[in-house]
Amino acid sequence: SAVISQKPSRDICQRGTSLTIQCQVDSQVTMMFWYRQQPGQSLTLIATANQGSEATYESGFVIDKFPISRPNLTFSTLTVSNMSPEDSSIYLCSTDRTGAPYGYTFGSGTRLTVV
Amino acid sequence: AQSVTQLDSHVSVSEGTPVLLRCNYSSSYSPSLFWYVQHPNKGLQLLLKYTSAATLVKGINGFEAEFKKSETSFHLTKPSAHMSDAAEYFCVVSEHPIIQGAQKLVFGQGTRLTINP
Repeated sequence: SAVISQKPSRDICQRGTSLTIQCQVDSQVTMMFWYRQQPGQSLTLIATANQGSEATYESGFVIDKFPISRPNLTFSTLTVSNMSPEDSSIYLCSTDRTGAPYGYTFGSGTRLTVV
Repeated sequence: AQSVTQLDSHVSVSEGTPVLLRCNYSSSYSPSLFWYVQHPNKGLQLLLKYTSAATLVKGINGFEAEFKKSETSFHLTKPSAHMSDAAEYFCVVSEHPIIQGAQKLVFGQGTRLTINP
């Protein structure tokens, strides 16, 4: 299975600022996914990032708030912009690259607290 | 659209007794189904996956799940619970057949498993 390095693992940020989260995969992958896990909740998909094209956002998420970059097949970033306390969540990246047959690997997550 | 319902938000069992975490899904085709575990302050770990092969799927740490199409269920079981099994468990369905390429996942709401000594 692919290994994903995600950083930072946690951060405490002031409201109104922005935080960029990075995910590095140890092999080339087609798609990367970004999820949000609000406190005590399940995971919700934010967007899908395909290399060479703009990310596809899910309902309720917009590019101005969560800009995503995908410069190559092993790397992606998610920025949480103009943060408010409601953005306090765990953010996780994921990819489809696996060993046979199928499965998805997740980064260890970024625990964000906005104060 | 695909959906997943985890029937119990919290399950509590004694150490050494069986574990049953229930999951029902909704899909317009033969889905790919997964169970993930999330330990406190840790990332998600894949327990097992069903992708139209054998209906009884064996995973890591003694867990297994049975795909029952007639019941649209994919319940997770373990014969004997261990203290280290205490965690949050997520049942997950792929939005489209995985064979069509990488697809986004739809997560259930999670079941918190507590193990009593």
